[in-house]
Amino acid sequence: EAQVTQNPRYLITVTGKKLTVTCSQNMNHEYMSWYRQDPGLGLRQIYYSMNVEVTDKGDVPEGYKVSRKEKRNFPLILESPSPNQTSLYFCASRSPAETQYFGPGTRLLVL
Amino acid sequence: TQLLEQSPQFLSIQEGENLTVYCNSSSVFSSLQWYRQEPGEGPVLLVTVVTGGEVKKLKRLTFQFGDARKDSSLHITAAQPGDTGLYLCAGLSGGYQKVTFGTGTKLQVIP
Repeated sequence: EAQVTQNPRYLITVTGKKLTVTCSQNMNHEYMSWYRQDPGLGLRQIYYSMNVEVTDKGDVPEGYKVSRKEKRNFPLILESPSPNQTSLYFCASRSPAETQYFGPGTRLLVL
Repeated sequence: TQLLEQSPQFLSIQEGENLTVYCNSSSVFSSLQWYRQEPGEGPVLLVTVVTGGEVKKLKRLTFQFGDARKDSSLHITAAQPGDTGLYLCAGLSGGYQKVTFGTGTKLQVIP
């Protein structure tokens, strides 16, 4: 079954404690992306990746890092989380025909 | 930063009524997509429109891309409770790499 998986689904942490949210897709997609969703602001793109070792900033990259060492994985790293990064995070991957598949989301609370 | 504004933000209608959701921007997009998102899940792609003036139909849903590729509309005929959800438009630019989402329209269809 084609899918995008994210872990963890829920995370409560404290300010400054580094964390990683993993994302994996089994569709051999070249393009992957991270978004955050906040009430009243919709989904905003954090980072995207065109292929292995190729990443670029989206609209709200501050405070986040990503890496793309393998085609299937695209982890999102928060080196020093702050309360304003409390949000719902989605990973997505896309086929050449532009059908974008989203993961189930990771709800993060930074205290 | 490109912006996509959706209207209305909220819509509560009776089953059987028709409705239209609008997605407007001052920016030109290469293509525009519409998604539906259920609570606790990631957005699911409904349609992609690419050509200015293009109209696509998906059962009771009709999607239109503006002639200038800056705006789009989603029309639902004879709404049903199963249509309830958050509807998001998304504009693609920068060679389809950057994705800008609209602010969303929350639709509730009352039986």
